[in-house]
Amino acid sequence: AQTVTQSQPEMSVQEAETVTLSCTYDTSENNYYLFWYKQPPSRQMILVIRQEAYKQQNATENRFSVNFQKAAKSFSLKISDSQLGDTAMYFCAFIRIPGNQFYFGTGTSLTVIP
Amino acid sequence: GAGVSQSPSNKVTEKGKDVELRCDPISGHTALYWYRQSLGQGLEFLIYFQGNSAPDKSGLPSDRFSAERTGGSVSTLTIQRTQQEDSAVYLCASSGVEDTQYFGPGTRLTVL
Repeated sequence: AQTVTQSQPEMSVQEAETVTLSCTYDTSENNYYLFWYKQPPSRQMILVIRQEAYKQQNATENRFSVNFQKAAKSFSLKISDSQLGDTAMYFCAFIRIPGNQFYFGTGTSLTVIP
Repeated sequence: GAGVSQSPSNKVTEKGKDVELRCDPISGHTALYWYRQSLGQGLEFLIYFQGNSAPDKSGLPSDRFSAERTGGSVSTLTIQRTQQEDSAVYLCASSGVEDTQYFGPGTRLTVL
């Protein structure tokens, strides 16, 4: 079975600073995808970034980047130049390829302080 | 293009009543998922549809919960004889060939 662990229930960061959210996962699979989703107070889940396990290069989307350590089964999200709109719950997720079921972590609540 | 839509946005019902929640996935997406999210909690998987295959119902919490997907597109989640513990946000997501889930805005269900 696959598990996804987010060990930081809550975090805060000053506006314009950088913050890193951690995620670890447990799997015996070799081929899989990893995701970070953002859920602001509006409750709409929004895809932030995706990483294919076969890619060694870390995914980047503007101010968002990941540190993917396959051997350590770690997938952290770095948010640079934090903005007030980044305040949200962040969920890490895993899907085996091929597969159908997504596994989500319990989330990290991030607050950006003005 | 249009994203995943869900209706209603909010639903208030009395204990014991039946409710239907609707999900319109992204056009062309063959996979559709339902999740439940209680206040301040993570996502609880309920059910998964893939094309014409039999759905994966392993997450449904009781036989009061059921879901259908007609014509491989629109899905309806039905909760019979609602209980107060059913109060939650119900999220729908769909995915296509790229195996990335795209979520709808959710339906907030309140059972009085």
